[in-house]
Amino acid sequence: DAGVIQSPRHEVTEMGQEVTLRCKPISGHDYLFWYRQTMMRGLELLIYFNNNVPIDDSGMPEDRFSAKMPNASFSTLKIQPSEPRDSAVYFCASSLVLAGGIQDTQYFGPGTRLTVL
Amino acid sequence: LAKTTQPISMDSYEGQEVNITCSHNNIATNDYITWYQQFPSQGPRFIIQGYKTKVTNEVASLFIPADRKSSTLSLPRVSLSDTAVYYCLVGVDNAGNMLTFGGGTRLMVKP
Repeated sequence: DAGVIQSPRHEVTEMGQEVTLRCKPISGHDYLFWYRQTMMRGLELLIYFNNNVPIDDSGMPEDRFSAKMPNASFSTLKIQPSEPRDSAVYFCASSLVLAGGIQDTQYFGPGTRLTVL
Repeated sequence: LAKTTQPISMDSYEGQEVNITCSHNNIATNDYITWYQQFPSQGPRFIIQGYKTKVTNEVASLFIPADRKSSTLSLPRVSLSDTAVYYCLVGVDNAGNMLTFGGGTRLMVKP
């Protein structure tokens, strides 16, 4: 398997523009996670899906952020309108079904470095 | 969710053993302890996971005392390439399905 695939790897946009980040999880993984990483706030969980259904989006910073998972092999994170403070590295990760208290390994993608001017 | 506390940074030299301790005082009975490693410009990657006592793999060892309120990641004979941020994760949400990354420990290995 190619691992978690994210696109684009780098995105530079201007304030107010719509930004769409894409993720293809590892085939067979039931969980998909979106994270944001900045120097100031570290690695933050934004939202995660189980079997394409959003389970917890409490980490989504505000209504400008939205995430979808139309099928098991594709997810998007959209920011509209984008602001300079959204500049960060956005990671997508996937994992297998978790059983009991066992936390299955999360496999991370290479990330998308977003710069909003 | 169990909150974790780790040192912000640590320095070491090549060839030394490095021990990074994570505190998780309110760990729940079902919680496992997982450590991830993150290199610059990459996503975190799994290192090791354990529930109690000691776990060892080809990369590291994980020591967990009987009360499980802390854990120690041990990296034997570190090299420059071990310079990275190390995250300790504990806990699941009410649905049993989530991890939370803390601030991590930035390890700098010097020659």
